Amino acid sequence: DAGVTQSPTHLIKTRGQQVTLRCSPKSGHDTVSWYQQALGQGPQFIFQYYEEEERQRGNFPDRFSGHQFPNYSSELNVNALLLGDSALYLCASSLPGQGRSNEQFFGPGTRLTVL
Amino acid sequence: AQSVTQLGSHVSVSEGALVLLRCNYSSSVPPYLFWYVQYPNQGLQLLLKYTSAATLVKGINGFEAEFKKSETSFHLTKPSAHMSDAAEYFCAVSTGANSKLTFGKGITLSVRP
Repeated sequence: DAGVTQSPTHLIKTRGQQVTLRCSPKSGHDTVSWYQQALGQGPQFIFQYYEEEERQRGNFPDRFSGHQFPNYSSELNVNALLLGDSALYLCASSLPGQGRSNEQFFGPGTRLTVL
Repeated sequence: AQSVTQLGSHVSVSEGALVLLRCNYSSSVPPYLFWYVQYPNQGLQLLLKYTSAATLVKGINGFEAEFKKSETSFHLTKPSAHMSDAAEYFCAVSTGANSKLTFGKGITLSVRP
């Protein structure tokens, strides 16, 4: 059973460019959340997708957008990249209302470097 | 609103010694609490979770944590540290059906031979 997969592993972009990160959830999961982890910090919630709609959003600007496809995979898009967008981007998948635990399974992340 | 405070950014213990990593939370509703571990260049792995059942929670790799409502704490412990425990540890809080996790800044655990 494949866990959460993310691509690419690493990415280097320059300021002002746009980037797309991809995530495939764990088998059987239909909810995908995205987190940004800056160096030396804990992950911060960006947004969550369920049934192809953004269900919840954290405190991130509109430059950050996403999409969920019918097969539950998801993309994170960031426009007009800033140096401060350099971080590890983590995708997590879960089942909606999974008992009371809300357990999320994380992928290995995409390391984005903005020069 | 919810938040997590992890005091100290780095803890160093000797192999075989007790591991204690502190976590305090703030939540306006009964919380669900989690500890995750992150090894270098990897994603997050769930160690254990509290979901309003038993207050003493046992997780993987010999770790356990105790939920103390009066102290708003969820400290992580392990009786005997192993070299393989060296990693970054994150405490996180969620408020139930809302799957958003709010993380602390993390604690780096070093284990000395």
